[in-house]
Amino acid sequence: DVKVTQSSRYLVKRTGEKVFLECVQDMDHENMFWYRQDPGLGLRLIYFSYDVKMKEKGDIPEGYSVSREKKERFSLILESASTNQTSMYLCASSLGLGNEQFFGPGTRLTVL
Amino acid sequence: DQQVKQNSPSLSVQEGRISILNCDYTNSMFDYFLWYKKYPAEGPTFLISISSIKDKNEDGRFTVFLNKSAKHLSLHIVPSQPGDSAVYFCAASSSDTGKLIFGQGTTLQVKP
Repeated sequence: DVKVTQSSRYLVKRTGEKVFLECVQDMDHENMFWYRQDPGLGLRLIYFSYDVKMKEKGDIPEGYSVSREKKERFSLILESASTNQTSMYLCASSLGLGNEQFFGPGTRLTVL
Repeated sequence: DQQVKQNSPSLSVQEGRISILNCDYTNSMFDYFLWYKKYPAEGPTFLISISSIKDKNEDGRFTVFLNKSAKHLSLHIVPSQPGDSAVYFCAASSSDTGKLIFGQGTTLQVKP
């Protein structure tokens, strides 16, 4: 069974703080993704990575950066959190691009 | 520009009846389509997929239909069960980008 884990289920941060969201997958997948889910907007891709140290911008990368130092780990960084980044953040991994993606449980981030 | 649209935010169905969830897309380059199911406070889980070379794929109670000329796909659940109550997302990808594009989601409620 593919397992994707995220470091926190719930997180509360203050405006201006630097926030790290961690994601780990155990299936040796090449590709990893970060999405945010907001009501009425579905899942929107923030960044993805198709290999270690490689990253590509998704549809809404502004205000975010990512790091992939090891194949199994993909981190999302909010350099200076803002209230409009309050959202559900979902990490996913897949064997090939365009294939079925396996999702983690999500991190509900609230920025006050 | 929303390339994948789920125009019904919600759907309510009686237990035992058929649930039909709809999805429209605009990009003719999409060649792979997926449905995901999401319970509150959990990540989406893969349900069923279909390649553009097919017009139907069936897995137990779940059937996905693809109408390429209309750029429309639908998910049929027969018979519907209360445990099917969740948010359903359709997603599409093209082999040139490999990224999944998600719809806004439809909340299905199956009443006992």
